[in-house]
Amino acid sequence: DAGVIQSPRHEVTEMGQEVTLRCKPISGHNSLFWYRQTMMRGLELLIYFNNNVPIDDSGMPEDRFSAKMPNASFSTLKIQPSEPRDSAVYFCASSYQAGGEQFFGPGTRLTVL
Amino acid sequence: GENVGLHLPTLSVQEGDNSIINCAYSNSASDYFIWYKQESGKGPQFIIDIRSNMDKRQGQRVTVLLNKTVKHLSLQIAATQPGDSAVYFCAEKGGSNYKLTFGKGTLLTVNP
Repeated sequence: DAGVIQSPRHEVTEMGQEVTLRCKPISGHNSLFWYRQTMMRGLELLIYFNNNVPIDDSGMPEDRFSAKMPNASFSTLKIQPSEPRDSAVYFCASSYQAGGEQFFGPGTRLTVL
Repeated sequence: GENVGLHLPTLSVQEGDNSIINCAYSNSASDYFIWYKQESGKGPQFIIDIRSNMDKRQGQRVTVLLNKTVKHLSLQIAATQPGDSAVYFCAEKGGSNYKLTFGKGTLLTVNP
C-alpha cells in the first residue's frame, strides 16, 4: 500500500510564478482533501472533493488558488501567481468515505521567494 | 468562530514516563474527536479517536479522555519512548461528516 503520494516534496519558486502541486490518493478512496499548514494558522482545509467533484472550497484563500480532480487517481492544486505568503506545507489526504479516517500524504513544502 | 486549541505548546518528558497532552475545544456541537501524530517531515498520522457518547477510549499505550462538561480532551501516552517524539494535534468534527478542525499542536520531546 503506497499511501497518498504527493509531488514535488519541495518547491522553491519566485513570486509571480505558477505553482502546481500534485496528489495521488489511495486507490479506492472516494474523498480527497487539500490542506495547508503554517506556523501561524496551523492545519487548514482548503478544498474537499467527493467522487472527483469539489464539494467544499470555502477554505481556498483567494482566486489565485484553484484545484482540480480530473479522475479518481489524480488531483492538482495550482497557485497563480504565487506570493511569498503562500509559503507553507501543503498536504493532500484521502479517505474511503466522506466521514472516514483521513490518510495524509507526506506534504509539499512550498517556498515562494 | 469555533476553534480547537491546546493548553501546552511544548512538553518534554523522560523516556519511560507517562505523557499527557491536553486540548480544549469550544464547539459544543462537536461529536467526534481525533488525535494525530506528526513526525518531522511527514504528514499527520491517525492515533486514536473518540465519539462524544464516550468519555474514555484506550489503544495500544494510548488513552484518550473526553470531558464534555468542560470541553476538554486529553491524550495519555504510557511509557513514552523516543519514537513518540512528534507534534500531536487534536481535531474535532461537528456539523459536517468530513470537515476536521485542527488545534495548533503540542511538540512532545522524549529525552533518553
